Amino acid sequence: QVHLVQSGAEMKKPGASVKVSCKTSGYNFNDHYIHWVRQAPGQGLEWMGWINPNSDGTNYAQKFQGRITMTTDTSIRTAHMELSRLTSDDTAVYYCAGGILQKWLPDQWGQGTLVTVSS
Amino acid sequence: EVVLTQSPGTLSLSPGERATLSCRASQTVYSSYLTWYQQMPGQAPRLLIYGASTRATGIPDRFSGRGSGTDFTLTISRLEPEDVAVYYCQYYVNSALTFGGGTKVEIK
Repeated sequence: QVHLVQSGAEMKKPGASVKVSCKTSGYNFNDHYIHWVRQAPGQGLEWMGWINPNSDGTNYAQKFQGRITMTTDTSIRTAHMELSRLTSDDTAVYYCAGGILQKWLPDQWGQGTLVTVSS
Repeated sequence: EVVLTQSPGTLSLSPGERATLSCRASQTVYSSYLTWYQQMPGQAPRLLIYGASTRATGIPDRFSGRGSGTDFTLTISRLEPEDVAVYYCQYYVNSALTFGGGTKVEIK
């Protein structure tokens, strides 16, 4: 059974960086993209980008380019998303999701990680 | 850039009624890449429909999707109390994903 388990909630100050982890199990980690999607309080879903664990190739949404970094550690089947230069607008629940059916289709989701940015 | 517009914003219906949710694209899209998600309160999104009309594993057959071109529809044939959620459509193009704004389904 596929599982994606994310790291715990984070509280950060404006200007800081946050790194969220996503530990996977139940499928071949190298064969499927990991997507990151965020959701601000009371708002809709916003796609941030994906990473291909097999090549470490990435595609970031234009909005986040320059301050987002996605990485993987295949030895522990874990993906990471780091977002820098945080502002209050980055307060959101961050989700990782695996493209298991199709690489482009986030179909197995983590439980979400709340990141709060406040002075 | 493809923009997905969902309507209505909120749908309030009684149990057993039919729910019809719309997702309109700003330009013609490939139905193979049109997806629907369900997000129940306080939970992560769940894959509901992909390829515009294929139900994901474990999704009840009261959920159905259809459409082509610019107009897509998610139908819940007989609304159940556990269907209370926000429903999002999503499209994949040029290696990027875009989501619609969502439709909230409530029970009267």
